[in-house]
Amino acid sequence: NAGVMQNPRHLVRRRGQEARLRCSPMKGHSHVYWYRQLPEEGLKFMVYLQKENIIDESGMPKERFSAEFPKEGPSILRIQQVVRGDSAAYFCASSRIGGGDYNEQFFGPGTRLTVL
Amino acid sequence: AQSVTQPDIHITVSEGASLELRCNYSYGATPYLFWYVQSPGQGLQLLLKYFSGDTLVQGIKGFEAEFKRSQSSFNLRKPSVHWSDAAEYFCVVTGANNLFFGTGTRLTVIP
Repeated sequence: NAGVMQNPRHLVRRRGQEARLRCSPMKGHSHVYWYRQLPEEGLKFMVYLQKENIIDESGMPKERFSAEFPKEGPSILRIQQVVRGDSAAYFCASSRIGGGDYNEQFFGPGTRLTVL
Repeated sequence: AQSVTQPDIHITVSEGASLELRCNYSYGATPYLFWYVQSPGQGLQLLLKYFSGDTLVQGIKGFEAEFKRSQSSFNLRKPSVHWSDAAEYFCVVTGANNLFFGTGTRLTVIP
């Protein structure tokens, strides 16, 4: 049973370009979460999605960032017009049960974004 | 609002010595608590979790943690540290839709 898959593992972009990060949840999981880890910090929640729905995007920056989880295919975190401050590790997690307090999440290996 | 505090940014221990990593949380109800470990450049691995029941929980790699409601703490312990335990450790409390992470404690193990 494969775990959470993320690709690419490393992504380099120049300022102003777009970054697309992909996440495939574990088999049987329909809830996906994105977190960002800035250097020397813990992970910060960005967005929680179910298939075709954004449930909670309270942690998403208001501009340039968007996320989707289509009916078919992986979840995508999209960052438009990247800036150096977007350089971070982006982790995806999935869970079988969503919402509420009982919410064990399984993490992918992360995508490390570097903006030049 | 939920929050997690890990007061120790960096801890150094000798191999074979005992370890305790501190964690304090803030949560309005009974929390669900986790400890995750992150090796350099790697993803996160779940060490152990507390949902209810016995307040002393056992995890993988010989780790354990004790939930103390009166102190709002969930400290991680290991009786004898191995060099491979060198990593970043995160205490985590669950919220309605997501997880709240502490800032982490970096563990260095010296021979």
